[in-house]
Amino acid sequence: DSGVTQTPKHLITATGQRVTLRCSPRSGDLSVYWYQQSLDQGLQFLIQYYNGEERAKGNILERFSAQQFPDLHSELNLSSLELGDSALYFCASKPPPGLANEQFFGPGTRLTVL
Amino acid sequence: TQLLEQSPQFLSIQEGENLTVYCNSSSVFSSLQWYRQEPGEGPVLLVTVVTGGEVKKLKRLTFQFGDARKDSSLHITAAQPGDTGLYLCAGYSTSGTYKYIFGTGTRLKVLA
Repeated sequence: DSGVTQTPKHLITATGQRVTLRCSPRSGDLSVYWYQQSLDQGLQFLIQYYNGEERAKGNILERFSAQQFPDLHSELNLSSLELGDSALYFCASKPPPGLANEQFFGPGTRLTVL
Repeated sequence: TQLLEQSPQFLSIQEGENLTVYCNSSSVFSSLQWYRQEPGEGPVLLVTVVTGGEVKKLKRLTFQFGDARKDSSLHITAAQPGDTGLYLCAGYSTSGTYKYIFGTGTRLKVLA
């Protein structure tokens, strides 16, 4: 158990819909990263938040957005869903700078768009 | 763009064999991490290497960071079916955008 929690574990929805994925980082970690992993593909970095502020953006679509709240949990919002958005979505948290560079991953949310 | 290329992409071996996975870049990384991911689960951190030339051992797994900190290798001795999974190297981009970059991955299958 990494200490990072994600909900829901599975999500099935239809094209055109909007969903929200939730992530709670490990206690004490200020950074949250979101990744997308399609079938048999590597991890694609989407976005990073640090202590409530956006820190870095990867290949995140304009239909996707995220935020980190004062209690440090984060939400990833996916809208106007398309079939190709079906994937595993992971969040990861990282200890404060200077302590370690590792990221600790949650169990993921499997999104299926029908 | 900083890239981490892993080789081989796929590897299927018999139980008891040894193997080495490589992670290469043209850029310098301040540190590299190795993860193992099983189907449907999140990656699990195996090790972090920081110093050029560093060697770390984790039971039957030996990790090495290149002297120039541009490459790393993972060697598994006497592989077991439980070693099956996707192995990923990763590190932070030093290009100023502070992105965490994952390698292309090596999918290992160890047959009993």
